[in-house]
Amino acid sequence: TQLLEQSPQFLSIQEGENLTVYCNSSSVFSSLQWYRQEPGEGPVLLVTVVTGGEVKKLKRLTFQFGDARKDSSLHITAAQPGDTGLYLCAGEGMNRDDKIIFGKGTRLHILP
Amino acid sequence: EPEVTQTPSHQVTQMGQEVILRCVPISNHLYFYWYRQILGQKVEFLVSFYNNEISEKSEIFDDQFSVERPDGSNFTLKIRSTKLEDSAMYFCASNLAINGAGNSPLHFGNGTRLTVT
Repeated sequence: TQLLEQSPQFLSIQEGENLTVYCNSSSVFSSLQWYRQEPGEGPVLLVTVVTGGEVKKLKRLTFQFGDARKDSSLHITAAQPGDTGLYLCAGEGMNRDDKIIFGKGTRLHILP
Repeated sequence: EPEVTQTPSHQVTQMGQEVILRCVPISNHLYFYWYRQILGQKVEFLVSFYNNEISEKSEIFDDQFSVERPDGSNFTLKIRSTKLEDSAMYFCASNLAINGAGNSPLHFGNGTRLTVT
């Protein structure tokens, strides 16, 4: 069974600080996706990483896919209160019919 | 930008009753999904649907659950006899490409909050 472990589960930091959240698995994925979920809404895609070692930037957010395609990280530089939310990683399996599975998420709270 | 829409946004039902949750996926998408999220827990896969049939389902998706695409636009999840533990947010999602291509991110609706009393 494929599992995605996200850490930390909760993170509360001051505005302006940097942070990194992690998404780890023992399984290999064809891609990893990061979503952000606001209360009362569905997850919204932030980025998809496909190639081992790939780095993608989205303004102050930097996403990296591990070389072995088993893990990923999300780094936020100079966090803002607007970054507050639940960040979910989701992995897409190697086989054609594999379902996309989700980690439990990291709940991030940025204090002004 | 096209989006997945779900109705109702909130459904309250009594234990044992049947509920139907409705979704309109993005029109040119080919794959449709139901996920659920129990309060405070992770997003869990229920079922995927392609070419008018179930392509995969999880152990959660037992005989009490069914899905249907009754016409060219709607995609429904039916729970025949609801239980208290069915209370959750139910998300519909759709995507365009085949898994494994790395270009098949899910587009989610805003969910239906199901409360079983």
